[in-house]
Amino acid sequence: DTEVTQTPKHLVMGMTNKKSLKCEQHMGHRAMYWYKQKAKKPPELMFVYSYEKLSINESVPSRFSPECPNSSLLNLHLHALQPEDSALYLCASSQGAGPNQPQHFGDGTRLSIL
Amino acid sequence: QKEVEQNSGPLSVPEGAIASLNCTYSDRGSQSFFWYRQYSGKSPELIMSIYSNGDKEDGRFTAQLNKASQYVSLLIRDSQPSDSATYLCAVTTSGTYKYIFGTGTRLKVLA
Repeated sequence: DTEVTQTPKHLVMGMTNKKSLKCEQHMGHRAMYWYKQKAKKPPELMFVYSYEKLSINESVPSRFSPECPNSSLLNLHLHALQPEDSALYLCASSQGAGPNQPQHFGDGTRLSIL
Repeated sequence: QKEVEQNSGPLSVPEGAIASLNCTYSDRGSQSFFWYRQYSGKSPELIMSIYSNGDKEDGRFTAQLNKASQYVSLLIRDSQPSDSATYLCAVTTSGTYKYIFGTGTRLKVLA
């Protein structure tokens, strides 16, 4: 079991649906991340929040909308996704947003777009 | 383009042998280096972090860093079938805290 909890574990949605992915950590970490991982590929960074402020957006399409309501929670709102968005979505957290801060990953949400 | 390279494998070793996984990186200013293990369909799990030249040991795992040659390696002693997984090398590049991941090496430990 990881200390970063992601819900739901699996999500199937149509291209017109709106859904949200949730990530929670109670380690007191101040940096949180969203990654997308396709099969047999490494994780690709999407967003970074540092001290609840968005600090990095890796040119992610606007159909993905992150939100950080507080230091323990990170959401990813999904709208009008495409079939190629089907992937494993990983949340990670680190104590701070510095170079020597290991990131700890949640179990991920496996997303399928019909 | 800052790159992290790993041999995709599979690397096959017999049970009880030493598995040696290698990673090279292009950014000479890289500061931090991490090894993750990822089982099929699961999330990456942090195994080791290393920040300075030399060896760092943790149980059956040893990370080795050589900044002059720009490589980092992971040795797994007494390999077990349960070590069979993909091993991802991650490097934070100079001036940022973003990870650059290698493509991963698939390790198969044969019973």
